[in-house]
Amino acid sequence: QKEVEQNSGPLSVPEGAIASLNCTYSDRGSQSFFWYRQYSGKSPELIMFIYSNGDKEDGRFTAQLNKASQYVSLLIRDSQPSDSATYLCAAMRGATNKLIFGTGTLLAVQP
Amino acid sequence: DGGITQSPKYLFRKEGQNVTLSCEQNLNHDAMYWYRQDPGQGLRLIYYSHIVNDFQKGDIAEGYSVSREKKESFPLTVTSAQKNPTAFYLCASSIGQLDNQPQHFGDGTRLSIL
Repeated sequence: QKEVEQNSGPLSVPEGAIASLNCTYSDRGSQSFFWYRQYSGKSPELIMFIYSNGDKEDGRFTAQLNKASQYVSLLIRDSQPSDSATYLCAAMRGATNKLIFGTGTLLAVQP
Repeated sequence: DGGITQSPKYLFRKEGQNVTLSCEQNLNHDAMYWYRQDPGQGLRLIYYSHIVNDFQKGDIAEGYSVSREKKESFPLTVTSAQKNPTAFYLCASSIGQLDNQPQHFGDGTRLSIL
């Protein structure tokens, strides 16, 4: 079992819809979770991070964390074609400050 | 502008050759990291350093070496012992080794075998 798992996609949504990206993790000691956006051929860019159970909102983005279910999600409201990218979920491993990345979900927003 | 600078953008390695990838940051971050990204495999940690003159092996350190002589610099050497070096190499930094600190990435270096 991978430490951080994501569906590779592609996840296709129409412009203006809500995109829902999901991630599960296996290390119950993980406390911090990060979402990165990576455009093709570019480096990852930090979108959001979340430490506490519940929701965290930033503009069109909402991160959700459920530690009991070991589940993290990223919602993108009013999806735009410019949101089309691979979204990487990462968990900080226990107390080591090491990030463990999932393989990413490819999001395609259709105009 | 504050940021992380990786150079070169593209690099080619001949058989038996060592090559060094540069990573410089002017964010005054204590912690720096090197990752490798292969298609479909996500990012894997090669080496990391939480403080000057100290570094630790990550999950795939074999065939690589690093140094951390200055706070702002963390070069990665891909040695001839690394048999499959073709990948996208990413350098990252964070404020420190405290938990919960997000890592920010440079633009990356693409390494290929000649």
